[in-house]
Amino acid sequence: DAKTTQPPSMDCAEGRAANLPCNHSTISGNEYVYWYRQIHSQGPQYIIHGLKNNETNEMASLIITEDRKSSTLILPHATLRDTAVYYCIVRVRGGGADGLTFGKGTHLIIQP
Amino acid sequence: GAGVSQTPSNKVTEKGKYVELRCDPISGHTALYWYRQSLGQGPEFLIYFQGTGAADDSGLPNDRFFAVRPEGSVSTLKIQRTERGDSAVYLCASSLRHGTDYEQYFGPGTRLTVT
Repeated sequence: DAKTTQPPSMDCAEGRAANLPCNHSTISGNEYVYWYRQIHSQGPQYIIHGLKNNETNEMASLIITEDRKSSTLILPHATLRDTAVYYCIVRVRGGGADGLTFGKGTHLIIQP
Repeated sequence: GAGVSQTPSNKVTEKGKYVELRCDPISGHTALYWYRQSLGQGPEFLIYFQGTGAADDSGLPNDRFFAVRPEGSVSTLKIQRTERGDSAVYLCASSLRHGTDYEQYFGPGTRLTVT
């Protein structure tokens, strides 16, 4: 059962903001939204997570809609090194199964 | 500090052979996870250890797959009678403690090819 829906691929120009959407219309009240990315030939890397408030860290910003049915990961100034597959995951925090459930993600390609 | 390391980085084996894949977690991390990633797919959870014991092995595809973590640090994923369908990248991750409050840090993976 796919809990999240992401576009398979996106392009973004270097230096511009990359906005990656994710739909999670069946999200439960105790589920957080997590984002990971996987650069070619590397393991996945944690980026950010949030429950209902917008979040920002040194890597990205996460905007979650008020109804929590969708979210957007924002890379404010994309560089070529941001080319990767980005995974949006919903997950119970503070309980539940520990294994992460990945979908197919969005392949973000940063164009020079 | 040192991240999660996995050896070998690549392994080619013949159908029917036995293989072992090793994971060295981040020092001090008590939880360890194994995932499998097929071409074009996201990683798929296999098994997770808290300390020395397997807390959840629900993702192991069948009884040819087995994993151990005898001293609560290094883990080995063992695959018996390998099949061509076992070809994938096997990823290991560790976290400071078990539970979803702690982030998982992934290694670079072992690419297994069964011929």
